[in-house]
Amino acid sequence: DTEVTQTPKHLVMGMTNKKSLKCEQHMGHRAMYWYKQKAKKPPELMFVYSYEKLSINESVPSRFSPECPNSSLLNLHLHALQPEDSALYLCASSPRTSGSQETQYFGPGTRLLVL
Amino acid sequence: AQSVTQLGSHVSVSEGALVLLRCNYSSSVPPYLFWYVQYPNQGLQLLLKYTTGATLVKGINGFEAEFKKSETSFHLTKPSAHMSDAAEYFCAISQPMNTGFQKLVFGTGTRLLVSP
Repeated sequence: DTEVTQTPKHLVMGMTNKKSLKCEQHMGHRAMYWYKQKAKKPPELMFVYSYEKLSINESVPSRFSPECPNSSLLNLHLHALQPEDSALYLCASSPRTSGSQETQYFGPGTRLLVL
Repeated sequence: AQSVTQLGSHVSVSEGALVLLRCNYSSSVPPYLFWYVQYPNQGLQLLLKYTTGATLVKGINGFEAEFKKSETSFHLTKPSAHMSDAAEYFCAISQPMNTGFQKLVFGTGTRLLVSP
């Protein structure tokens, strides 16, 4: 099973709201990623978790707060977002066993609209 | 730093025609290259990848790509397009980061349009 699931599929939130995105994988992968994809643009890396520890933060604003409660689950907590944060948020996972050549498996994404 | 360039933001073909999507890379080390497909309102699905070894890589759905070091290219092809191939295609290169992590750097994408 090479499936990464993400909930919700769609999310609309106001600039004062707090919401969370959820990502889950049951492939035993030990690296998990958050990407942001604006319309008609390629995905851009936000965060990387390895063995439940935050390893990479690509200078993401603090209104995005990632969390990895266990090896299967990855959350992205959202607070005080701006309309320009509207995008497709993609989660991915990889085994973390074969370095730069390993495949990242992507979820279907959460489409976020900030009003 | 590693990067990829996709030539052509849109490619239109007729059903049954050859599909050719172009990707050129820049890398200071032997590259690891990937092609992903994104159907409308969906995530990314791996089509194929090149790591080492055989330069002709076969992927899913009849796609293949050839790694050509002399041309720094990794073009994606399919002999006969199907309507279901209409999607956005991303070429990506793996960029090593500190402590052994991998960052996928994506090209700007090519939208494949297939007409009956």
